[in-house]
Amino acid sequence: KAGVTQTPRYLIKTRGQQVTLSCSPISGHRSVSWYQQTPGQGLQFLFEYFSETQRNKGNFPGRFSGRQFSNSRSEMNVSTLELGDSALYLCASSWDRGSYEQYFGPGTRLTVT
Amino acid sequence: AQSVAQPEDQVNVAEGNPLTVKCTYSVSGNPYLFWYVQYPNRGLQFLLKYITGDNLVKGSYGFEAEFNKSQTSFHLKKPSALVSDSALYFCAVRDSGGYNKLIFGAGTRLAVHP
Repeated sequence: KAGVTQTPRYLIKTRGQQVTLSCSPISGHRSVSWYQQTPGQGLQFLFEYFSETQRNKGNFPGRFSGRQFSNSRSEMNVSTLELGDSALYLCASSWDRGSYEQYFGPGTRLTVT
Repeated sequence: AQSVAQPEDQVNVAEGNPLTVKCTYSVSGNPYLFWYVQYPNRGLQFLLKYITGDNLVKGSYGFEAEFNKSQTSFHLKKPSALVSDSALYFCAVRDSGGYNKLIFGAGTRLAVHP
């Protein structure tokens, strides 16, 4: 079974621009969560989508948004990029909500200059 | 508020020796606990989880973890370390207010020396 895939793997953007990251979950998985990983803040939860609806949101500004499609694929968008948005963005999928483990993709490394 | 602490930034162990990576947690209600490993330039790989039942949980690659409710700990262990186990290890707890929201510890870098 193919794992979680994320595209692109690397991205360089300029302050003020916007970016869209894509995540394809493991086949059959219905929940997709996004995390931001930085050296200073560690791993922080961004949001979770299940059945095309956002179920949870972390403490991030409204510039961070996402969506999920009917095939469970998900995208996250960051508008008006700031230098502090430079991070590894990880997508994770799980079969359902609750006690199920999440499986992570390789991440998208975003650099904002 | 829920939290996870990994008190050691780095753990050094010789190949063939047992290893322990420590984790303590603070949650309201019953904890759902997880261990993940991250290799350079890779995402996180699931190792094991504790939901309920036996306090000793066995996971992937020979790792196991011991849940201790009285000490609110969930330490990761392996009887015999391999050089290839060298990586960054994260303990996580499911947020009681969000089914798939994980709260991670800061991570512990494990270095296994030949």
